[in-house]
Amino acid sequence: GAVVSQHPSWVICKSGTSVKIECRSLDFQATTMFWYRQFPKQSLMLMATSNEGSKATYEQGVEKDKFLINHASLTLSTLTVTSAHPEDSSFYICSATGLADYNEQFFGPGTRLTVL
Amino acid sequence: GQNIDQPTEMTATEGAIVQINCTYQTSGFNGLFWYQQHAGEAPTFLSYNVLDGLEEKGRFSSFLSRSKGYSYLLLKELQMKDSASYLCAVMDSNYQLIWGAGTKLIIKP
Repeated sequence: GAVVSQHPSWVICKSGTSVKIECRSLDFQATTMFWYRQFPKQSLMLMATSNEGSKATYEQGVEKDKFLINHASLTLSTLTVTSAHPEDSSFYICSATGLADYNEQFFGPGTRLTVL
Repeated sequence: GQNIDQPTEMTATEGAIVQINCTYQTSGFNGLFWYQQHAGEAPTFLSYNVLDGLEEKGRFSSFLSRSKGYSYLLLKELQMKDSASYLCAVMDSNYQLIWGAGTKLIIKP
């Protein structure tokens, strides 16, 4: 149990385009989903926390108008990088909680975004 | 402020034992997690400690001392596939994970 998927696994896009990344909990209902980004050789950086049916809570310094998060159901959250630029190139990882009593986060496999 | 400290890099020999330390200062404490992350992949869960003491799971063990703000991950009988980054993360009073920068473990034959 506790499988989280992400789609796509990798994406290459032109500067100025928008990219949507999906995160799904496949065999449990995720009360909370988290979005992280990770630059090479650095640790995970939390971007935002989202609960189903409510607005996401963004971390300081993360532009909510640029990184749109929608958590429409207990099994799906989406992150849309709007008007992507090369500096947005990164590894984006989602995680979900809802299964373990101690709020263990189950991670998706990540999405590597490259903006040309 | 909140802070998680762990060594940047460690090297060990195949078949040996290695201990990766983690010290933390956080606003509240609701448990400490260790994750393994191979290059280019997402983290995978290794262990969770919320009470003081040692939790053993196969070749991996994790220890916690809340009074000292200290944890370690012990890896025994090292295998080449254990080469990865090991992330220490503490859940604070808001149930938010505070992440360490990770320790890159290099295993040599």
